[in-house]
Amino acid sequence: AQTVTQSQPEMSVQEAETVTLSCTYDTSESDYYLFWYKQPPSRQMILVIRQEAYKQQNATENRFSVNFQKAAKSFSLKISDSQLGDAAMYFCAYRSSPGDYGGSQGNLIFGKGTKLSVKP
Amino acid sequence: DAGVTQSPTHLIKTRGQQVTLRCSPKSGHDTVSWYQQALGQGPQFIFQYYEEEERQRGNFPDRFSGHQFPNYSSELNVNALLLGDSALYLCASSFKSGGVWEETQYFGPGTRLLVL
Repeated sequence: AQTVTQSQPEMSVQEAETVTLSCTYDTSESDYYLFWYKQPPSRQMILVIRQEAYKQQNATENRFSVNFQKAAKSFSLKISDSQLGDAAMYFCAYRSSPGDYGGSQGNLIFGKGTKLSVKP
Repeated sequence: DAGVTQSPTHLIKTRGQQVTLRCSPKSGHDTVSWYQQALGQGPQFIFQYYEEEERQRGNFPDRFSGHQFPNYSSELNVNALLLGDSALYLCASSFKSGGVWEETQYFGPGTRLLVL
């Protein structure tokens, strides 16, 4: 079974600085998706960035980028120019590549999350 | 474009009662997944509905059941509530097009259930 591990329960960053959140996963599959979701106190889970395992190029979305190391099964999130609004829980998630698992998309497997604080 | 909506936002029940939570998927989406998020934990997959059928199920007892309606909205039912069922229940939607599942699941704001 696949597992996702986030080893940093809490992180802190100064406003305008850069922070990296770590995520490792375990799988025997070769094709899959990886995601970072942000969950602010409002509770809504918001997609930050996604990566397809077969793509070697690291995904970027504005100030957010990932370092995807497939062989090491590592998927870290870098937040540049941190803003106060970035403060939230960040969850790393894994999903098997879409296929016909009895006609299902497949479920997300989440890590336990990292709480990010941003200091003004 | 309306996102995923859930109702109610908060709910308080007592042990042994039954509860129904509701979810409307994002416009154009036909697949609904339900997750349970205990305090301080990541979400855990309960089940997924597509074409009004339960297509995949996580490690949850039969007390957890669901339904999907022809308009793609969904309900999560929990019978014989236990204290341990207290959690945030998240609904996520997606869609299948041309035989291929869309990559991302989009989440609603959740329903906070407290069992006393």
